[in-house]
Amino acid sequence: DAGVTQSPTHLIKTRGQQVTLRCSPKSGHDTVSWYQQALGQGPQFIFQYYEEEERQRGNFPDRFSGHQFPNYSSELNVNALLLGDSALYLCASSLVQGRYEQYFGPGTRLTVT
Amino acid sequence: AQSVAQPEDQVNVAEGNPLTVKCTYSVSGNPYLFWYVQYPNRGLQFLLKYITGDNLVKGSYGFEAEFNKSQTSFHLKKPSALVSDSALYFCAVRDMDSNYQLIWGAGTKLIIKP
Repeated sequence: DAGVTQSPTHLIKTRGQQVTLRCSPKSGHDTVSWYQQALGQGPQFIFQYYEEEERQRGNFPDRFSGHQFPNYSSELNVNALLLGDSALYLCASSLVQGRYEQYFGPGTRLTVT
Repeated sequence: AQSVAQPEDQVNVAEGNPLTVKCTYSVSGNPYLFWYVQYPNRGLQFLLKYITGDNLVKGSYGFEAEFNKSQTSFHLKKPSALVSDSALYFCAVRDMDSNYQLIWGAGTKLIIKP
């Protein structure tokens, strides 16, 4: 049973560019949440997708957007990248909008230069 | 407002000794509480959760946590530490009566010395 997978593992982008990160949830899970984790800090909630709709959103600007597909996989898009967007981006999957525990992927390390 | 506090940035323990990583929380309703561990350059791994029932919760890798409602605490414990337990530990809380967003602590770095 595959766990949560994310791609790519690492990514280097230039300020102002756009990036798309991908996530496949754990088998049987229907909810995907995205987090940003800066170095030395805890995860910061970006948003959550359930039934192909954004259900909750954290304190992130509209430059951060997402999508969930019918197979429950998800994408995180970040436009007009800033240096401060450099972080580890974590995807977590769960059942029923994360009522219980969430299972995390290994993350995508984004570096903006 | 919901919040989680991990008062110690770092905890140092000798191998074989018991360990405790502290977590206190604040929610308006009843809490769901979680502990996760993160190894370098890795995602977070679920350790254990408290939803309801027995205040002592047992989890993965020999870890356990004690829910204390009066002190609003959920400390992580292990009777005998291993060097391989060295990692970053995060406590998280969700108010079960509201939305499903997890609120995370800042993390505690656990160092187990041989």
